[in-house]
Amino acid sequence: GENVEQHPSTLSVQEGDSAVIKCTYSDSASNYFPWYKQELGKRPQLIIDIRSNVGEKKDQRIAVTLNKTAKHFSLHITETQPEDSAVYFCAASAKGYALNFGKGTSLLVTP
Amino acid sequence: DAGITQSPRYKITETGRQVTLMCHQTWSHSYMFWYRQDLGHGLRLIYYSAAADITDKGEVPDGYVVSRSKTENFPLTLESATRSQTSVYFCASSDREWDGYTFGSGTRLTVV
Repeated sequence: GENVEQHPSTLSVQEGDSAVIKCTYSDSASNYFPWYKQELGKRPQLIIDIRSNVGEKKDQRIAVTLNKTAKHFSLHITETQPEDSAVYFCAASAKGYALNFGKGTSLLVTP
Repeated sequence: DAGITQSPRYKITETGRQVTLMCHQTWSHSYMFWYRQDLGHGLRLIYYSAAADITDKGEVPDGYVVSRSKTENFPLTLESATRSQTSVYFCASSDREWDGYTFGSGTRLTVV
């Protein structure tokens, strides 16, 4: 089955800096790549997603890039703010549902 | 996101007991999912359903049973709970493929 690797497991940045989280996937048939943010004690929430026919997608300070050849995709957060502190999960799927998640990245943004 | 609710929020049960976690959504979404979340493992898929009366195994289905007789409900049953099933369980739903999930608030289950 699909295997999604996520790095780093923890990331600390200063407010205003950029943060990048990277994921690789094993199933070349995967065609849907969402990212979720989970604040402490809360449910995961979708923040951005990309399909395999698109190389990059941006939403305000958040962007996702996809390299199908290398089978990796990344989340980029610019101008980080303390409220960006959370655990971020990448996921992949060949069906568009039944997501396989990475193990998460704990992002800490310090003022 | 009050449209998907899980109950109970917290549950303590004893080893060997049967326990059922409930998940209800009000949107008539086709797809529903059960994940467990454990430190160091992220979110792992237990079972999913593409429609009423259609269910399929995920990555970690052993020890769990699901049913989906109605579109809005997707209960998860632990037939004989074990300590290794202590976890936070999230239910999620999605209207269609490539649409992302909406998660419930989760159930924290402790097996003693």
